[in-house]
Formats: sequence, structure tokens, C-alpha cells
Amino acid sequence: GQQLNQSPQSMFIQEGEDVSMNCTSSSIFNTWLWYKQEPGEGPVLLIALYKAGELTSNGRLTAQFGITRKDSFLNISASIPSDVGIYFCAGQLRGGGADGLTFGKGTHLIIQP
Amino acid sequence: GAVVSQHPSRVICKSGTSVKIECRSLDFQATTMFWYRQFPKKSLMLMATSNEGSKATYEQGVEKDKFLINHASLTLSTLTVTSAHPEDSSFYICSTTQGSGYTFGSGTRLTVV
Repeated sequence: GQQLNQSPQSMFIQEGEDVSMNCTSSSIFNTWLWYKQEPGEGPVLLIALYKAGELTSNGRLTAQFGITRKDSFLNISASIPSDVGIYFCAGQLRGGGADGLTFGKGTHLIIQP
Repeated sequence: GAVVSQHPSRVICKSGTSVKIECRSLDFQATTMFWYRQFPKKSLMLMATSNEGSKATYEQGVEKDKFLINHASLTLSTLTVTSAHPEDSSFYICSTTQGSGYTFGSGTRLTVV
């Protein structure tokens, strides 16, 4: 089946630093999504990417959908304590919402004061 | 925005018993509901896709007789873990789509003792 290779697995950074994580796949995805999950909660959508090459921002977050539709990165600028959590990339093979999502293994972000 | 209400948030049951998890879409109709399972420090794995009024479609390796899914109405989908065993202990999350977005429930932490 499809797999999303997400890296890094974890990040230990200082408050104020920028963060970068990425996902790659051997499959082409119609839509690429980035989620954040807090302990004991469901994932919350951060950014959705629909077009190849698309670069989208949401506050301090920026994500881009690769030209080949096989990869994406998420950047967080000037990290703050509330950014702590697990970040997942997720891909949707086909449009229309008929398919479930394929998730990456997550990046655990830890911020040291 | 779209909200999916998932209950219970936590449940502890004895080995051999069955547990039902409910997901309700609030203020919108959920034609399709996705069910995911997440083991500790792992990613979300799609278990099955349910469509209102028809049989659920299960992912490879997921036992349909163990994880019973009912999607009898456009606002309610249920997952029943039958004859639960300790290895079924996990975090179960439902998700549905509205428009171009996926909305997740808050998850159910199942512990089988």
C-alpha cells in the first residue's frame, strides 16, 4: 500500500527557533494535508495543499506541495511553547473525500525553554 | 466549522466483552465515515470506510467480524469492538469529510484488561 515517509521522527529545539519537517512518498497524492495532534486528542488540520507546487501559509506555518505530488514540507517559524505536539503529514489519493487518508509516522516536536 | 462528536473518550473493559464507540456529525450529514486506529507513539492507520446505508469497506488485515461498523443514519456511525482482547487496546478515531476537508473526532482510548 501507499506509505508516507516522514522525517525527522523527533525534534528537540529551543524556543524561537525555526522548524522544518518533510514527507515523501513513492505514490502520487491528489491532496496533501498537515495535522497536529495533542495527547489524547484527534488530529487538527493545519494546512491543506491541493495543487502541485502550491505554497501555503497559516500564520507562522508554511507548507509546500511538491511539483511531482510525491512530497511536501512544513515549516514553523519562531517556535513557541504551544507548538509542542506531534505533527503528521497525510495524503489523499483521489479527490472528492471518498478515500481515507494515509498518514506519515509523525514528527514529535519538543521545545526546550 | 464541521464538528464530529465521538464518545466515549475513554473506556476500560474486561477481556472478552464488547465495546461500542459512537461518532456523530453535528449540524451536517456525514455520508462517509472513516475509522482509524492509533497505537501509542504510532501513526493513524485506516481501518475501514463506512458509507451510510451500505456495508463498510475494511482495509487489508482488519477483521470485519471483530470490528463491526454500523452507519445507519447520516449523522451516526458506530464501531463495535467485539470480544475485545488486550491487544485491541488502542486509540480509535473517526473522521468524516465535508466539502474538501476532513474532520476528526476527539478519539476513544480503549483499554482492555
